[in-house]
Amino acid sequence: GAVVSQHPSRVICKSGTSVKIECRSLDFQATTMFWYRQFPKQSLMLMATSNEGSKATYEQGVEKDKFLINHASLTLSTLTVTSAHPEDSSFYICSASPLAGPTREQYFGPGTRLTVT
Amino acid sequence: GENVEQHPSTLSVQEGDSAVIKCTYSDSASNYFPWYKQELGKGPQLIIDIRSNVGEKKDQRIAVTLNKTAKHFSLHITETQPEDSAVYFCAGGNTGTASKLTFGTGTRLQVTL
Repeated sequence: GAVVSQHPSRVICKSGTSVKIECRSLDFQATTMFWYRQFPKQSLMLMATSNEGSKATYEQGVEKDKFLINHASLTLSTLTVTSAHPEDSSFYICSASPLAGPTREQYFGPGTRLTVT
Repeated sequence: GENVEQHPSTLSVQEGDSAVIKCTYSDSASNYFPWYKQELGKGPQLIIDIRSNVGEKKDQRIAVTLNKTAKHFSLHITETQPEDSAVYFCAGGNTGTASKLTFGTGTRLQVTL
């Protein structure tokens, strides 16, 4: 149980284009989904928290107009990197927190490696 | 906000030996402390967690201890195996409304034959 998928696993795009990454909880409903960014050999940096049906809460320093987050349902959240630039190249990982129970665990997806050329 | 420190950054042990990774946290309101294992090119995998109403939790070869007074918690892996080699992250958070986690900087564990 508690499986989270991400699509695509890898994407290469040209500078100036937009890229959408999907995060799905496959076997549970998620009240909250989180988006992280991870640079090589570094820790996870929280970008934003999204709750189904409401606007995402962005961490300080994260541009909300550049990283658009939509949490359309209890099993799907999307991150769109708009007007991507080479410095946006990174490993993007989502996590989902189950709706049921008080536990509040976060289960992570396999990540999406974005390369902007 | 919460600050989580983790050490060591790298740890090499021989197969069969034990490995211990330690973390400290700053926010006394934090009450949830998960540990994640991340293999190269993959997302983190939750391996064990502990809540502040418990001092110790064990799952087969993995155990976690929590000292609320000192604000530190540790991961213990016994009888290490080569497949335990990975990067391990500790995290701290509150199970309240935000449920955000603050991650440590990671420990690269290498289990040698």
